[in-house]
Amino acid sequence: EPEVTQTPSHQVTQMGQEVILRCVPISNHLYFYWYRQILGQKVEFLVSFYNNEISEKSEIFDDQFSVERPDGSNFTLKIRSTKLEDSAMYFCASSGFATGELFFGEGSRLTVL
Amino acid sequence: RKEVEQDPGPFNVPEGATVAFNCTYSNSASQSFFWYRQDCRKEPKLLMSVYSSGNEDGRFTAQLNRASQYISLLIRDSKLSDSATYLCVAPKDYKLSFGAGTTVTVRA
Repeated sequence: EPEVTQTPSHQVTQMGQEVILRCVPISNHLYFYWYRQILGQKVEFLVSFYNNEISEKSEIFDDQFSVERPDGSNFTLKIRSTKLEDSAMYFCASSGFATGELFFGEGSRLTVL
Repeated sequence: RKEVEQDPGPFNVPEGATVAFNCTYSNSASQSFFWYRQDCRKEPKLLMSVYSSGNEDGRFTAQLNRASQYISLLIRDSKLSDSATYLCVAPKDYKLSFGAGTTVTVRA
């Protein structure tokens, strides 16, 4: 069964460092998403991406965040200068069509010290 | 008003019981809705899609009430393995926002 894969599964970084989280969506999917979940809190929408551009972003997704699809398979989330409050689980998801079922990766846990 | 609001629970029910809870949404234009389940520290997984008035899959039934803008999830004959957080999604454009989730604990 096709699946979304994310790397790394866990990253520990120092405050102020840049972090790149990687995702390989399901191969024939066209819509890509990043979500985050701070421990004990809800799953929060960050950004959606379609046709090589951002479709929608939340207020959380400020200038410190960026997304990219550098090639035909990877979808990355970059945090330029991490803050303590960026510590969370980051989930990538993909979908075959807009407003369709999301298929999630297992997440990348980011710990900022 | 939040895009999606859910009964937070927790719902603590014995095995075999029926449990039901709601999710209200603010965007009247939403055409499709989804229930996901999330186990502790795991990714959300799709439980059920709702495109019309409702959907049924085994012990799980989802009902959509467009007039009142809510969807419900009912779990019959609950199992210990149903213990999880149930998340609803009501898409708006390209933004698929999750509710805060309803926690269900099924006890033996």
